[in-house]
Amino acid sequence: SAVISQKPSRDICQRGTSLTIQCQVDSQVTMMFWYRQQPGQSLTLIATANQGSEATYESGFVIDKFPISRPNLTFSTLTVSNMSPEDSSIYLCSVAIAGKNIQYFGAGTRLSVL
Amino acid sequence: GENVEQHPSTLSVQEGDSAVIKCTYSDSASNYFPWYKQELGKGPQLIIDIRSNVGEKKDQRIAVTLNKTAKHFSLHITETQPEDSAVYFCAASTPLLSGNEKLTFGTGTRLTIIP
Repeated sequence: SAVISQKPSRDICQRGTSLTIQCQVDSQVTMMFWYRQQPGQSLTLIATANQGSEATYESGFVIDKFPISRPNLTFSTLTVSNMSPEDSSIYLCSVAIAGKNIQYFGAGTRLSVL
Repeated sequence: GENVEQHPSTLSVQEGDSAVIKCTYSDSASNYFPWYKQELGKGPQLIIDIRSNVGEKKDQRIAVTLNKTAKHFSLHITETQPEDSAVYFCAASTPLLSGNEKLTFGTGTRLTIIP
């Protein structure tokens, strides 16, 4: 398995501002992913964070709203830009180890937008 | 794309009884089926998984069964305990043309164990 640290664990933000969430894993992993979990709902994949290249976004998610970086094999960031109350959700980072499609999740970032 | 349906959405079980959660998937190319447990305020935790070349897998009180023909898989928890109370998610992993895999999650089951 992998130990995943996500920061911040929670935040309350004003509309129109941006928040950057960090994800750090304790070992080199092939794949890193970002998910959104709206209150009481399931997990929806936002994008796959690719090391050294642009992230791959799922339908309904765009880079201008959710820019992602992955400068190395153990670290990624997700920015939620120009926030509105509809962005209030849990944002989760997950990782998969090379050759295996098992995904491990961080504890998540609980975001409230006022 | 893949679509995963999960039932029931809520389930209450007397402590010591068994709980069963069922999922169906649509894409026959899906080949890996994990189950996650999410406790309040925490991220999803992998509790058991099964690959498409296996029909059943068991780990102590937890078991998963897979019927590839019918495209459904189930989670079985026996001798339930209060600490089993949580939200459970099934998922299906589908290989993509890029060589990566994509996890599609079910809608979740809130399991409550009644002492």
